[in-house]
Amino acid sequence: AQRVTQPEKLLSVFKGAPVELKCNYSYSGSPELFWYVQYSRQRLQLLLRHISRESIKGFTADLNKGETSFHLKKPFAQEEDSAMYYCALSGNAGGTSYGKLTFGQGTILTVHP
Amino acid sequence: GAGVSQSPRYKVAKRGQDVALRCDPISGHVSLFWYQQALGQGPEFLTYFQNEAQLDKSGLPSDRFFAERPEGSVSTLKIQRTQQEDSAVYLCASSLGQGQPQHFGDGTRLSIL
Repeated sequence: AQRVTQPEKLLSVFKGAPVELKCNYSYSGSPELFWYVQYSRQRLQLLLRHISRESIKGFTADLNKGETSFHLKKPFAQEEDSAMYYCALSGNAGGTSYGKLTFGQGTILTVHP
Repeated sequence: GAGVSQSPRYKVAKRGQDVALRCDPISGHVSLFWYQQALGQGPEFLTYFQNEAQLDKSGLPSDRFFAERPEGSVSTLKIQRTQQEDSAVYLCASSLGQGQPQHFGDGTRLSIL
């Protein structure tokens, strides 16, 4: 079974402070990990995926297979980063590699001025 | 259209009524997913289509839930004899194909009275 855990439901930081949103996963194969973001009154959108190794809006995330983690980091948070963040996993168990996503419960990030 | 379109945005129904939720994916997207998001939770997978073929319906919670995509484009999620526990946001996502990023709609917020 695959599972994604985001231990923090709420995270508050001040503008300019570093931020780290934690994500741990459980999966027996080789997963693909994603971070999705939902800004206020907007739809869920892809922030980044581990295979692309991109930095989007200053955010990065490194897949750590030893610790089964995929934490999202940004060195200097901005007020516009305030949103709901979901970590998600796509696996290929049983030969199904079509991209079905398993989501964590989400973390609400609030960046104070 | 520019993105995935879902209708209606809001639906209120009395317990026992049948409802139908529509998803219009991005043109040319082969893959289509339905997710259910309960209050305070992350989205949970319901079912997957590749073109008109429903390849995975393992997430449908009961036989009251039925989804179709007859022409490989628009999809409809139908819930029969609705129950209060069906109250949730129903999200539709589409992608170009296996391994491609999923694009989400705004969702339909279903409330069962």
